[in-house]
Amino acid sequence: DAGVIQSPRHEVTEMGQEVTLRCKPISGHDYLFWYRQTMMRGLELLIYFNNNVPIDDSGMPEDRFSAKMPNASFSTLKIQPSEPRDSAVYFCASSPRLAGNTIYFGEGSWLTVV
Amino acid sequence: TQLLEQSPQFLSIQEGENLTVYCNSSSVFSSLQWYRQEPGEGPVLLVTVVTGGEVKKLKRLTFQFGDARKDSSLHITAAQPGDTGLYLCAGLMDSSYKLIFGSGTRLLVRP
Repeated sequence: DAGVIQSPRHEVTEMGQEVTLRCKPISGHDYLFWYRQTMMRGLELLIYFNNNVPIDDSGMPEDRFSAKMPNASFSTLKIQPSEPRDSAVYFCASSPRLAGNTIYFGEGSWLTVV
Repeated sequence: TQLLEQSPQFLSIQEGENLTVYCNSSSVFSSLQWYRQEPGEGPVLLVTVVTGGEVKKLKRLTFQFGDARKDSSLHITAAQPGDTGLYLCAGLMDSSYKLIFGSGTRLLVRP
């Protein structure tokens, strides 16, 4: 079975450029999550969707970040303009339900902003 | 400030030794999960505990949820190099249904 699929796996971009990260959740999972992982702050929840609707975006750092889920099989996380402090690993994850369920993570998108 | 504090942050031990990792909070969680993350990959769920005082065993790994559902521990018996990785606890809060991750413990088991 295919797991959560993320692209790109690695991205190096210059400060000020737009970055778009993509995610395909596991089929049938109603919840999709975007996390960011850094050495300093660990794994932080940015936003999560239920049935394609954003439920909680309180973790989104600032207006430069936006996330969309146009359909059940695709989501994007966009950073515009990117800054060096956005360098991190961005994980997409999905789950069939919310409370007490397994969250399945993708392999992550390694972003470096120079 | 981390809602879930893990200790120790780093642990380097010899193969065959035992170890315990702690996950502490001042908040109450409806359930708590433990994940292991290997380099270049996403976290993978090891176990979920939901009842205060609950103990679960997964081969050489023993997980315990505190009676007050504020803390948890992971004990590994006779550690092996394959246990090397980042161990993360994650708590689900009743009020928000958001999974909050701990700061992580990096374990290195030397052969």
